[in-house]
Amino acid sequence: DIQMTQSPSSLSASVGDRVTITCRASQNIATYLNWYQRKPGKAPKLLIYSASSLQSGVPSKFSGSGSGTHFTLTISSLQPEDFATYYCQQSYTAPPTFGQGTKLEIK
Amino acid sequence: QVQLQESGPGLVKPSQTLSLTCTVSGDSISSGRNYWSWIRQPAGKGLEWIGRVYIGGSTNYNPSLKSRVTISLDTSKNLFSLRLSSVTAADTAIYYCARGAYTTSAIDYWGQGSLVTVSS
Repeated sequence: DIQMTQSPSSLSASVGDRVTITCRASQNIATYLNWYQRKPGKAPKLLIYSASSLQSGVPSKFSGSGSGTHFTLTISSLQPEDFATYYCQQSYTAPPTFGQGTKLEIK
Repeated sequence: QVQLQESGPGLVKPSQTLSLTCTVSGDSISSGRNYWSWIRQPAGKGLEWIGRVYIGGSTNYNPSLKSRVTISLDTSKNLFSLRLSSVTAADTAIYYCARGAYTTSAIDYWGQGSLVTVSS
């Protein structure tokens, strides 16, 4: 299986900050990389697919980049509703695998 | 708006079979535009893909669970189901059903999740 490693595992930031989360794949996955947001008690939400494409309805404050084995998710101008856990996931080959998550907390 | 809702017992005894159903609204599972997946997350652990089913009934399963998993469609009721046999405490988790999109290879809609505890 392809291993996905996210960093950091947790992150404290303030409203208005810009943050970046990194995801690394154990092998080349081209741009088959997706990002999700999960809040307690709610359904996870797709933010970015194919490394850099914004899912319909997702604010442009979210952006993704990368290819191969190194990817980033950037969130600009943090708002209270952005504090959540973020996951990356590779869809290059089965089984799809996820990063361990990055918990974004309010400082 | 596409919505998925998991349902099923919240408590299952060891060695028994876990059964969950995912009811889909706002989309037809017969459309052929998407595939239908199950994913789980044990407490304190990461997300684990269980498997998926396609409109023709073909399936892909995680090799780590393949011998115990069955995912199936019920197009008449617009739902799909998960069965996991011979469960142990290690199968205690939040189980999510989800829709995958062929066009993006991403999981674009998820259910809220259903906690299943394996305990006697």
